[in-house]
Amino acid sequence: AQSVSQHNHHVILSEAASLELGCNYSYGGTVNLFWYVQYPGQHLQLLLKYFSGDPLVKGIKGFEAEFIKSKFSFNLRKPSVQWSDTAEYFCAVTDNAGNMLTFGGGTRLMVKP
Amino acid sequence: DVKVTQSSRYLVKRTGEKVFLECVQDMDHENMFWYRQDPGLGLRLIYFSYDVKMKEKGDIPEGYSVSREKKERFSLILESASTNQTSMYLCASSARGELFFGSGTQLSVL
Repeated sequence: AQSVSQHNHHVILSEAASLELGCNYSYGGTVNLFWYVQYPGQHLQLLLKYFSGDPLVKGIKGFEAEFIKSKFSFNLRKPSVQWSDTAEYFCAVTDNAGNMLTFGGGTRLMVKP
Repeated sequence: DVKVTQSSRYLVKRTGEKVFLECVQDMDHENMFWYRQDPGLGLRLIYFSYDVKMKEKGDIPEGYSVSREKKERFSLILESASTNQTSMYLCASSARGELFFGSGTQLSVL
């Protein structure tokens, strides 16, 4: 069975600080990787995804993530956060067939203005 | 745009009641999912369906059942609601692993 770990449950940053949220997964086969974001009062939406190819993936709103296969990691980064990035972020993984999406426990990010 | 619609945004029910949560998607997706979201626990999969009348248990199916009579509709049923089922329930449909979520139903069981 696959599992996903997000190491930071709560992160508080000041505006313009750099962000890195950790995500590690356990699964023996080929995976598809996702980051979802949930802004306060809104539904979950896709931030970025990795299926194959360039392991550095660009997403919306200046976010990016890097797939490091040897480390089973897919960390989310943003060079300079904004107050509007305050949200909960979820890492997720499926097998290559797109089955059984498994989520991490989420990381709550608060950006102080 | 993909649209996943959950019939209720907020529900309050009493212990022992039978509860139906409805979800409809308009993108002809074969796969549909029910998750519950609890603080610190992330999203946990209750049931999913990969075709009409087909269903599979997820990680936490106890106390729940589902119905998929039509491709666009996936219902979650709490046979006898309990207070530990107070949660945010999220429906999703998917294409190639990418999930499209509804707005969620916040269920409170008193």
